[in-house]
Amino acid sequence: DSGVTQTPKHLITATGQRVTLRCSPRSGDLSVYWYQQSLDQGLQFLIHYYNGEERAKGNILERFSAQQFPDLHSELNLSSLELGDSALYFCASSKGVSGGHEQYFGPGTRLTVT
Amino acid sequence: GQQLNQSPQSMFIQEGEDVSMNCTSSSIFNTWLWYKQDPGEGPVLLIALYKAGELTSNGRLTAQFGITRKDSFLNISASIPSDVGIYFCAGHNAGNNRKLIWGLGTSLAVNP
Repeated sequence: DSGVTQTPKHLITATGQRVTLRCSPRSGDLSVYWYQQSLDQGLQFLIHYYNGEERAKGNILERFSAQQFPDLHSELNLSSLELGDSALYFCASSKGVSGGHEQYFGPGTRLTVT
Repeated sequence: GQQLNQSPQSMFIQEGEDVSMNCTSSSIFNTWLWYKQDPGEGPVLLIALYKAGELTSNGRLTAQFGITRKDSFLNISASIPSDVGIYFCAGHNAGNNRKLIWGLGTSLAVNP
């Protein structure tokens, strides 16, 4: 158990809908990262927050947005969903602000768009 | 985006054999991380490397930070069935960007 929690575990929704994925980092970690992993693909970095502020952006679509709250939990919002958005979405956390620190991953949310 | 060259892409070995995989980059890194992912699960950190030439072990796993700082190696000795999974490398250089750069993974299958 990495100490990173993600909810929900599974999510099934229809095209055009909007969903919110939630992540709680490990105790003491200030950085939260979001990744997307499509079937049999590698990890695609989406976005990094540190202590409530955006630090780095990756290949995140304009239909996607994220935020980190004062209690350090984070939410990833996915809107106008398309079939191609079906994937595993992982949250990771680390202590420091640098993206190079050891990142600990949550169990993921499996999103299925029908 | 930028990615690391991780090889081999897949391996199928017999239980008890040793395994070697590596990652190479055109950029110099200050950090190398190795992760293992089981199907449908989140990646689990195996080994972290922070210094060129560093050799670090975690049980049957050994990883090295290449002297050129452009590559890293992961070895698994005496493989067992639970070693099955996808192994990812990731590298970071704070001078170039704020993001970890990820390899595409090495898929390992072990025949009991």
